[in-house]
Amino acid sequence: RKEVEQDPGPFNVPEGATVAFNCTYSNSASQSFFWYRQDCRKEPKLLMSVYSSGNEDGRFTAQLNRASQYISLLIRDSKLSDSATYLCVVNQRNTGFQKLVFGTGTRLLVSP
Amino acid sequence: GAVVSQHPSWVICKSGTSVKIECRSLDFQATTMFWYRQFPKQSLMLMATSNEGSKATYEQGVEKDKFLINHASLTLSTLTVTSAHPEDSSFYICSAREAVGNQPQHFGDGTRLSIL
Repeated sequence: RKEVEQDPGPFNVPEGATVAFNCTYSNSASQSFFWYRQDCRKEPKLLMSVYSSGNEDGRFTAQLNRASQYISLLIRDSKLSDSATYLCVVNQRNTGFQKLVFGTGTRLLVSP
Repeated sequence: GAVVSQHPSWVICKSGTSVKIECRSLDFQATTMFWYRQFPKQSLMLMATSNEGSKATYEQGVEKDKFLINHASLTLSTLTVTSAHPEDSSFYICSAREAVGNQPQHFGDGTRLSIL
């Protein structure tokens, strides 16, 4: 079983739609959680951190459920520029070192 | 904001060549840098954690004699792919974390390596 699992998609949605991505992680000792965005042939860029209390940044809302080991990302009012791959990322601490573990990503295509 | 520079951004070379990739933190000191590799349609996989002034910690399955890492200063880590072969062709990305506090990792632009 992969440490971080995501539906690869692609999710094809029209502009203005609301879309939700889900992610599960296997290591219950994981400490912190993030969503990154990666454009084709580019490096990943931090989109937002994810907290149990839920957090919102403009059109983006992230939620963490530690009991279920489940992370979500909601994008409202999708824009063409939101088209990208969204990576679920978990920060694990192992023997003193922190390590980011990446999911394979969920691809989003927003069309006019 | 924190910037990580990676060079070169694109390399095409013949099989058997050794290729060096540099990762620099431009406006902060990074005691720890990370090297990742990403194959098409796959996730980023951590190859090794580079610690300034000490030996790198390699992930399981990554050959330390094949992928040489040097982290000689607080702003520079290098990855050398020795005797590269076509199966080493991939997207290599470094990241760096500021030395002070619990800071996020900042990623370089990545290096696309193609071995002919």
